[in-house]
Amino acid sequence: QKEVEQNSGPLSVPEGAIASLNCTYSDRGSQSFFWYRQYSGKSPELIMSIYSNGDKEDGRFTAQLNKASQYVSLLIRDSQPSDSATYLCAVKGDMRFGAGTRLTVKP
Amino acid sequence: GAVVSQHPSWVICKSGTSVKIECRSLDFQATTMFWYRQFPKQSLMLMATSNEGSKATYEQGVEKDKFLINHASLTLSTLTVTSAHPEDSSFYICSARGGPAYNEQFFGPGTRLTVL
Repeated sequence: QKEVEQNSGPLSVPEGAIASLNCTYSDRGSQSFFWYRQYSGKSPELIMSIYSNGDKEDGRFTAQLNKASQYVSLLIRDSQPSDSATYLCAVKGDMRFGAGTRLTVKP
Repeated sequence: GAVVSQHPSWVICKSGTSVKIECRSLDFQATTMFWYRQFPKQSLMLMATSNEGSKATYEQGVEKDKFLINHASLTLSTLTVTSAHPEDSSFYICSARGGPAYNEQFFGPGTRLTVL
């Protein structure tokens, strides 16, 4: 089993909709979780980090962590075309990334 | 967030030559730096992890004699691609972790290497 797995994409949502991205991880002892956004031809940029079970909100972004089920998700509300990118999740201690989920927000 | 720079942003070289890429953390001390490689439309592949003052830890399948990593200070790591070949052409990205946000990792803008 891969250390980090993301729901297969690509994911396409209409502008204004909620985009939901999911990630599961194998190391039950993991404590730190991160979501990165990568535009085509650019390097990843950190958009959210989460350490505790529950939700963490930052503007239109909400990260959700469930350690018992070993998944972390990212919700993007009121999706905009500028949100179109590949989203990567990462777990501290194992900075290997999954394939990412490619999101397209259609105007 | 913290700032990580890379130099050069792109480089074209002839087959057989060596290329050095620098990665600097500009406003924090990076206790750990990571080097990644990404081919077009593929995911980031971790090549190696380096801690300041110690030898880098390479991922399985990455040739340490070909990809030389030096982490000489808390703000600088270098990756040297020795005897580059066309198949080494890729997007090389470094990242750094350290400073107040110790858990978080910040990426440099990447270096696009083309080997002719």
